[in-house]
Amino acid sequence: QKEVEQNSGPLSVPEGAIASLNCTYSDRGSQSFFWYRQYSGKSPELIMSIYSNGDKEDGRFTAQLNKASQYVSLLIRDSQPSDSATYLCAVNQNNAGNMLTFGGGTRLMVKP
Amino acid sequence: DTEVTQTPKHLVMGMTNKKSLKCEQHMGHRAMYWYKQKAKKPPELMFVYSYEKLSINESVPSRFSPECPNSSLLNLHLHALQPEDSALYLCASSSVSQGFQPQHFGDGTRLSIL
Repeated sequence: QKEVEQNSGPLSVPEGAIASLNCTYSDRGSQSFFWYRQYSGKSPELIMSIYSNGDKEDGRFTAQLNKASQYVSLLIRDSQPSDSATYLCAVNQNNAGNMLTFGGGTRLMVKP
Repeated sequence: DTEVTQTPKHLVMGMTNKKSLKCEQHMGHRAMYWYKQKAKKPPELMFVYSYEKLSINESVPSRFSPECPNSSLLNLHLHALQPEDSALYLCASSSVSQGFQPQHFGDGTRLSIL
């Protein structure tokens, strides 16, 4: 079974610090990678998409992709208590059509 | 607010009831999805519709019956559900243009089976 793995956490960081969330995937042919943020009791919200190796920045968020090592990461700079949520890594695996494979999610806690 | 609208937000039903969950999107997306999510777990894919045709059924029990009346609407008909079916039911949509496009989720329907 092709998998997407995340550390479940909780990852605890102080306010203002950089939070680093990691995700590994097993299907080397995967092409598209997404980070979703999910607050408790709410639905997943797309925050980043990345398709090619390297870094992609959007405000305080940076997604990093390394296809050779099969990992994708999300950095959150200047973390705020409002960033406290579960972050889901999702991968469109090769030949999977429209399907996404989700990791189990990492719970992030930002302490004031 | 999301661009994918789900109704109702909450639903409580008995095991003998018949109810329907509704999902609507006006983003011109031609792929729509139903997911089930249990607490502290990732979303679990149930069904995929592409161009209003069912393309993927992830071995979902027949007590869940999807329907896609048109390109903007997706329904999930529920009948004779079990207590273990209590969960957050999420609808998502995506474009099917060139390359893989991200899925956008609605706010979900929280379903409780008595």
